[in-house]
Amino acid sequence: AQKVTQAQTEISVVEKEDVTLDCVYETRDTTYYLFWYKQPPSGELVFLIRRNSFDEQNEISGRYSWNFQKSTSSFNFTITASQVVDSAVYFCALSEGQGQGGKLIFGQGTELSVKP
Amino acid sequence: DAGVIQSPRHEVTEMGQEVTLRCKPISGHNSLFWYRQTMMRGLELLIYFNNNVPIDDSGMPEDRFSAKMPNASFSTLKIQPSEPRDSAVYFCASSLAWAGDTQYFGPGTRLTVL
Repeated sequence: AQKVTQAQTEISVVEKEDVTLDCVYETRDTTYYLFWYKQPPSGELVFLIRRNSFDEQNEISGRYSWNFQKSTSSFNFTITASQVVDSAVYFCALSEGQGQGGKLIFGQGTELSVKP
Repeated sequence: DAGVIQSPRHEVTEMGQEVTLRCKPISGHNSLFWYRQTMMRGLELLIYFNNNVPIDDSGMPEDRFSAKMPNASFSTLKIQPSEPRDSAVYFCASSLAWAGDTQYFGPGTRLTVL
């Protein structure tokens, strides 16, 4: 069965601290896709990154970086030098290969609060 | 480019009334998804379409819920009759391809059933 676990329900940091959001997934497929979305207080869901199961290279985009490790079934997200504008709920999601047709399985989300 | 458009953004109705939520996907996208977000259950898929055809409606909670996609640029999610437990944020998303492509979400419709 597919499952995404975000064990951290809430994280609170002070501005400029680095913070890592954990994501662990379960799937039996060899082809799958992993995503991170951001949901700011305004409520919309903003796409951040997509990774396929064959690409384990880490990725960096500005202050954001992602660490994908198939050996531990993890896809963790790090924000460097956090800012108040990073305050949001962050969701990790899994989509299996063709069998599931693109259905996204979401984790429960991690609420990040960055205080000035 | 316009993103996914949903209407209304907010809907307040009384129990027993019919509610219709609307979605316009991104032009050129072939897949459309309806999700519901609640505190108790998080984000869950209700139904999705590929090329206007419903593919998987196993997430639709019960017969009171129905969804249609009459053409590539429009979809509706209808609840009849509505109940207080249907109160949630309903998101529509679209993607270019079928499996594994990025889904882009609309702003959501916040539904309150009194």
